[in-house]
Amino acid sequence: DQQVKQNSPSLSVQEGRISILNCDYTNSMFDYFLWYKKYPAEGPTFLISISSIKDKNEDGRFTVFLNKSAKHLSLHIVPSQPGDSAVYFCAASGSARQLTFGSGTQLTVLP
Amino acid sequence: DTAVSQTPKYLVTQMGNDKSIKCEQNLGHDTMYWYKQDSKKFLKIMFSYNNKELIINETVPNRFSPKSPDKAHLNLHINSLELGDSAVYFCASSRRGGLGVNTIYFGEGSWLTVV
Repeated sequence: DQQVKQNSPSLSVQEGRISILNCDYTNSMFDYFLWYKKYPAEGPTFLISISSIKDKNEDGRFTVFLNKSAKHLSLHIVPSQPGDSAVYFCAASGSARQLTFGSGTQLTVLP
Repeated sequence: DTAVSQTPKYLVTQMGNDKSIKCEQNLGHDTMYWYKQDSKKFLKIMFSYNNKELIINETVPNRFSPKSPDKAHLNLHINSLELGDSAVYFCASSRRGGLGVNTIYFGEGSWLTVV
C-alpha cells in the first residue's frame, strides 16, 4: 500500500518553461511534506518543504502547493533550467516523524 | 566536507556472503537511518537509531542488522546475502524532529549487487 504516490515516472519540459511535478497521498495524518532532488549516483538532497498549516511555500524558482482536501501536492519550477534535470521525490511525514517517499519523477529539461 | 558519508559506494558479492556498509555523519544529528531503494525506485526505510536505540524496524529480514557504535555512526550488516538484496542502500541522518521539522540528509548511496 503506497501512501505516497507519484504517478508520472517521467516529465520533459523545455528550458524556460514551467515544470509541474505532482504527488498524491492517502494518509490524512500526514502533516509535513517535502521534496527531494536526486542526481544520478548521488543521494537525495532536500529541496523544499511545506507544513499542513500552509497551502503554499516558495523558495526562489521552486514553489510547493498543498491541497489538503484533495490530498495532493505539487512542485512548480519556473523557469526550468537544464540543471534541474533530476529525479524528484515527494515525501510525507506524520506524528511518528518518519518519512514516506514516493517513487520519484524523472524530470528532463530540454535546452 | 561530506555531511553523511558511506562506504563502500559499490559492492559486488556472491550469494551467501556476509557484508557491511559503513556510515558516518558529521552534522551532529542524533538520529540516523538506513533506506533501501529497490528495483521499483521506492525509497523505503529500514532502520533508524536515536541515541543508540533502535526506534524503527520496517519488517526487514533479521539478516539485516544495524550497529551504532556512537551517535555519529550507523553501520549496516547483512548476513547470508540473497539475490533480492541487490539494491541501493542510503544512509541518512536528521535532528530529532520538532513539530513539522524532519529534514533528512542522505549519503551518496551504496550500490550492492549480489551475484
